[in-house]
Amino acid sequence: SQQGEEDPQALSIQEGENATMNCSYKTSINNLQWYRQNSGRGLVHLILIRSNEREKHSGRLRVTLDTSKKSSSLLITASRAADTASYFCATGLLYGNKLVFGAGTILRVKS
Amino acid sequence: GAVVSQHPSRVICKSGTSVKIECRSLDFQATTMFWYRQFPKQSLMLMATSNEGSKATYEQGVEKDKFLINHASLTLSTLTVTSAHPEDSSFYICSAAGTGGEKLFFGSGTQLSVL
Repeated sequence: SQQGEEDPQALSIQEGENATMNCSYKTSINNLQWYRQNSGRGLVHLILIRSNEREKHSGRLRVTLDTSKKSSSLLITASRAADTASYFCATGLLYGNKLVFGAGTILRVKS
Repeated sequence: GAVVSQHPSRVICKSGTSVKIECRSLDFQATTMFWYRQFPKQSLMLMATSNEGSKATYEQGVEKDKFLINHASLTLSTLTVTSAHPEDSSFYICSAAGTGGEKLFFGSGTQLSVL
């Protein structure tokens, strides 16, 4: 079963604006990862944050993790039309390397 | 980054036939590969974990006799959908764990349509 939920389910913004997506999960984790999926394609790994980290940056991406609230957020700054895609959080469990994916957020960036 | 190749990208088959999907890690050895299923505008549901040289581990509710997984080498895992039915129509995606096993590299997916 899916680990958690993401909100919003869909987000539509103008180019140049920031996009924030949230993810909640249920069990203890080793790490949390964000992936991007363009329509009809496989997923691309964006960023990984470990359970003992609170914030991580990669280019225009900023990820936060609050293990006490079992939640994470992904911020995409200065969005571009090419950022239009579905974004999924995935939790790495304490044992093994299986990932459990959230429901995803569909992001549309209008130019 | 590591590359995972998945073939075919799209397949249309008649009900009752079997379909094989291949997943290859091109530039790294993958001792573990994962097979997911995705319905339109939904998340990925893990079907099974494929380990090289051993039997696959299936998630609850996934029929192992219907979805046959073979991981005969460190670079190839195959998923065979046996006696396919229209309800098996879906997007199937494989992934492989790279060195360290935390990050996954995904194939481009296979859209299966069963008529």
